[in-house]
Amino acid sequence: NAGVTQTPKFQVLKTGQSMTLQCAQDMNHEYMSWYRQDPGMGLRLIHYSVGAGITDQGEVPNGYNVSRSTTEDFPLRLLSAAPSQTSVYFCASSPGQGSPEQYFGPGTRLTVT
Amino acid sequence: KQEVTQIPAALSVPEGENLVLNCSFTDSAIYNLQWFRQDPGKGLTSLLLIQSSQREQTSGRLNASLDKSSGRSTLYIAASQPGDSATYLCAASNFGNEKLTFGTGTRLTIIP
Repeated sequence: NAGVTQTPKFQVLKTGQSMTLQCAQDMNHEYMSWYRQDPGMGLRLIHYSVGAGITDQGEVPNGYNVSRSTTEDFPLRLLSAAPSQTSVYFCASSPGQGSPEQYFGPGTRLTVT
Repeated sequence: KQEVTQIPAALSVPEGENLVLNCSFTDSAIYNLQWFRQDPGKGLTSLLLIQSSQREQTSGRLNASLDKSSGRSTLYIAASQPGDSATYLCAASNFGNEKLTFGTGTRLTIIP
């Protein structure tokens, strides 16, 4: 199993551009989440999904969209990038109720100029 | 709203010492608490998960405890090694496993 994979590893955007961060898992996990990590602030939840077709907002959802059309994939879309979205983004998955351990991808480092 | 705190932010200890990392949380109605390790520029690796019904979990030289009444968890590392140098994060879940609230981490340096 590859586990949780994320692409790209690094990305530089100009203010106002849009892009999609990709996340995929091959463990048939029900739950998937997106977090951002900023210095001094820890990881904060952006959006999460408890199964295909079901998504919900986390702590810092503004400026981001998600969808979950398959169990495997959970892309994160930046609609109009802003410098405040410069961060490291992590995708995570977990099997579901009764097996709550979360598995994280390697991260995407995004810089918005 | 759950808040998670980790103090100190950084810790340096000589190789071979036993050490304790601290994690405190404000809402005792947690579902589980998870400890992670993060190496520089890398993702998070799960170390131990403690369910709300448990008081501790062990894996090799690591032991994590959970005291819901006091709002505290500790990660005990025995016989520390330079390879243990990393940032250690704790995270609490109150609503099942789809939402984790993270602490800001403790950066651990083991001095050879």
